[in-house]
Amino acid sequence: AQKVTQAQTEISVVEKEDVTLDCVYETRDTTYYLFWYKQPPSGELVFLIRRNSFDEQNEISGRYSWNFQKSTSSFNFTITASQVVDSAVYFCALSGPQMIKAAGNKLTFGGGTRVLVKP
Amino acid sequence: NAGVTQTPKFRVLKTGQSMTLLCAQDMNHEYMYWYRQDPGMGLRLIHYSVGEGTTAKGEVPDGYNVSRLKKQNFLLGLESAAPSQTSVYFCASSWGQGASNEQFFGPGTRLTVL
Repeated sequence: AQKVTQAQTEISVVEKEDVTLDCVYETRDTTYYLFWYKQPPSGELVFLIRRNSFDEQNEISGRYSWNFQKSTSSFNFTITASQVVDSAVYFCALSGPQMIKAAGNKLTFGGGTRVLVKP
Repeated sequence: NAGVTQTPKFRVLKTGQSMTLLCAQDMNHEYMYWYRQDPGMGLRLIHYSVGEGTTAKGEVPDGYNVSRLKKQNFLLGLESAAPSQTSVYFCASSWGQGASNEQFFGPGTRLTVL
C-alpha cells in the first residue's frame, strides 16, 4: 500500500522568509510519480510539479524548488522569499506505475501543510 | 476551455436524502476521479473511471455510486446521505495510460448533511 506523510500541519512565516515543506512517502513500486499541489483559499487544487522515480534531478522554478531524494523517500518543496499570495495548503501526492490501465493514475495524498505568510 | 467543472457548488441535505453531483471535463481526458476532502486527511479517492462505461472503487467507496455514460461526464451519487458524508468533494480528470498523468481538479462541491 502507498502512503504519504506530511508531518508539518501548519507553518507560519513572515513575508520574504524561506519555507520548506516536508514530504515522506512509502511505496513498493519501483516506478512511481510524485506530485505537489497547491490549494489556495479559493479551494481549487493547482498542479505544481510532477517527478518520476527515475528523475532525481532537483529543479528550481522561479521562487519554487524541489528536492527529491530516493534514498530517504523524501520529496521536499521550498518556497524562497515567500509572499502573502503563497498562503495556501500544499499537498504532496504519489501515484504508481501506469502499466495497467484498470489501475488508473490514482493519487495517494498526504494530509497537507497549511502555509500562512504574514505581511 | 472550461477545464473541469462541478455542479452544484454547495448543497445541504437532510439525513436519508439522495443527490447526484455532476462533473464535466472538456479536455477529452480518458480517466476521471472523485475524491473527498476532510480536515487533516488530505484527499481520499472514492471512485474512479478509466474510460466511458467503466468505473472502479477507490479507497472510500461505501455509500457512493458512480456512472460514466459519456466520456466527458462522471456522476457521483449518494442514495441515502449520512452526516459522515459531510465533506468537500472534488472531481478530477487526467490523460490515460502512458501519457502525462497529472490530474486536473474541479472547484469542489461543499456538501453538508444534517
